[in-house]
Amino acid sequence: GENVEQHPSTLSVQEGDSAVIKCTYSDSASNYFPWYKQELGKRPQLIIDIRSNVGEKKDQRIAVTLNKTAKHFSLHITETQPEDSAVYFCAARRTSYDKVIFGPGTSLSVIP
Amino acid sequence: DAGVIQSPRHEVTEMGQEVTLRCKPISGHDYLFWYRQTMMRGLELLIYFNNNVPIDDSGMPEDRFSAKMPNASFSTLKIQPSEPRDSAVYFCASSFFLQGAQGYGYTFGSGTRLTVV
Repeated sequence: GENVEQHPSTLSVQEGDSAVIKCTYSDSASNYFPWYKQELGKRPQLIIDIRSNVGEKKDQRIAVTLNKTAKHFSLHITETQPEDSAVYFCAARRTSYDKVIFGPGTSLSVIP
Repeated sequence: DAGVIQSPRHEVTEMGQEVTLRCKPISGHDYLFWYRQTMMRGLELLIYFNNNVPIDDSGMPEDRFSAKMPNASFSTLKIQPSEPRDSAVYFCASSFFLQGAQGYGYTFGSGTRLTVV
């Protein structure tokens, strides 16, 4: 089955700097890669996703990149703000009706 | 839409007692997922349903856990008997299958924080 790894497990950055979180997946048939943000004590929420036919996607300060050959994808947050502090989960899924497998999460702290 | 609704928000119970967690998915969503979240193991998929039918229950830890979905608007996760190691946050999530689409995102409920003492 699919296995998703995520690095680093914790990340601290100064406000205004960029943050990068990297993930790898094992199943070459995976074709959908969502990212979730979970603030302390709250539910995970989808912030951005990318499909296998796209190499990069941006949404304001957030961008995701996908390298299908290497089977890795990354989340980039620019101009970080204190409210970006949260746990971020990457995930992968094979088809529209298959289960989503989550990575272990990255705890991001943005220091004012 | 009120989103995915879970109850209760918090549950404290004694070891050996039966615990029932409840979930109401978003109307029109045909997939429902139960996840367990702990610091040690992260987000674990326990079971998921499609059109009320269990599709994959390979993540259910043992026979003490059972899940049902009697209709499109309601699901339960039951633990009997409960043990301290079952303490975790249990999330329910729902989604829909869009013909021809390559992907969709989950919508999670607020979770149930279970503490077994």
